[in-house]
Amino acid sequence: DQQVKQNSPSLSVQEGRISILNCDYTNSMFDYFLWYKKYPAEGPTFLISISSIKDKNEDGRFTVFLNKSAKHLSLHIVPSQPGDSAVYFCAARPTGANSKLTFGKGITLSVRP
Amino acid sequence: KAGVTQTPRYLIKTRGQQVTLSCSPISGHRSVSWYQQTPGQGLQFLFEYFSETQRNKGNFPGRFSGRQFSNSRSEMNVSTLELGDSALYLCASSLASGGIHPSFFGPGTRLTVL
Repeated sequence: DQQVKQNSPSLSVQEGRISILNCDYTNSMFDYFLWYKKYPAEGPTFLISISSIKDKNEDGRFTVFLNKSAKHLSLHIVPSQPGDSAVYFCAARPTGANSKLTFGKGITLSVRP
Repeated sequence: KAGVTQTPRYLIKTRGQQVTLSCSPISGHRSVSWYQQTPGQGLQFLFEYFSETQRNKGNFPGRFSGRQFSNSRSEMNVSTLELGDSALYLCASSLASGGIHPSFFGPGTRLTVL
């Protein structure tokens, strides 16, 4: 049972436009959410996170929105750049010192010049 | 500061064999966690070690095991390999156990089981 779902496997966006990457979760115990970016032949790198007590977190061109009632979060990249082309993973974890991260399957973002 | 290193980077084994993968965390980091990445399942948590103790474990069979040494380096072992074990195995290091998130991942070991 996939508790973190990234239903769209890929997304293609024009440079300069907004990229919106979506993620849904089913476990109501999740209270901390993260996005990772992964380039080919490299490990994932942490991008941005959000706690369930907030509904928005912004870091430069990256903003994560959380809708707890819909169990949905999204990552907005504005403006999109060709260097943003990568696989993006959504991840979530419940409360607890030893709780583990659950990842989605990832979405491949392609930003066209 | 050197990043997380994993060896070997690529490995080809046959069914029934066993394999050992190694991960050296960032200097000063004491927590190492392991993940399996496959196209169909994404990243799945295997286990986490901190101060030579397993702190958390994912839903994988007992063929998957690991350990951590006093210098925080970690190894994972897969015995009696199956075709479905073909995957990219990633390790991540963190300063402490149960941290908010693993920030630093290694490049992974690509295991192919024939």
